[in-house]
Amino acid sequence: DIQMTQSPSSLSASVGDRVTITCRASQSISYFLSWYQQKPGRAPNLLIYGASTLQSGVPSRFSGSGSGTDFTLTISSLQPEDFATYYCQQSFITPQTFGQGTKVEIK
Amino acid sequence: EVQLVQSGTEVKKPGESLKISCKGSGYSFTNDWIGWVRQVPGKGLEWMGVIYPGDSNTRYSPSFEGQVTMSADKSISTAYLEWRSLEAADTAMYYCARRDDSYGWGAFDFWGQGTLVTVSS
Repeated sequence: DIQMTQSPSSLSASVGDRVTITCRASQSISYFLSWYQQKPGRAPNLLIYGASTLQSGVPSRFSGSGSGTDFTLTISSLQPEDFATYYCQQSFITPQTFGQGTKVEIK
Repeated sequence: EVQLVQSGTEVKKPGESLKISCKGSGYSFTNDWIGWVRQVPGKGLEWMGVIYPGDSNTRYSPSFEGQVTMSADKSISTAYLEWRSLEAADTAMYYCARRDDSYGWGAFDFWGQGTLVTVSS
């Protein structure tokens, strides 16, 4: 299985901060990387696919980059509704594993 | 509008069987893989497997193969996840999701609301 490792596991930030979350794959996955946001009690919501393509309806403050084994999710200016847990997922090969998650909390 | 609607909360005893469902609408159900994702309370997301409703082809995670069975009835646009003998460790929220292999690079673009399964004696 491909292992997906996110860092950090959690972070504290203030409204307006720029936030960066990284995801590393244990082997190359090309651009087959997605990012999801999950709020408590809710299903995950797709933010980014193909490493850098913004899903329809997702605010432009979210962006993704990377290829191969190293990927980044950036929130350019953190908003109150962005406090949530974020997961990366590789869809290069089955099982299409998720990272362990990054919880973004209010400072 | 694409929708995936899952069956309701289940409370079961160890050793009992269970089949939960995921009904799709608003798109061609037979043409996209449906995935199942487990989330143990307070923990992360685990990819269980996918099924292609068009021909019921399946791909299981090794962690779940033999523990659950995925199936689909394309005539009613519904996918299923089944257990023959539940254990307490199966207590979790289970999500179904549509996998977009056309432009989505295999991402899960639409999700069901989740089915909470509690297994307790």
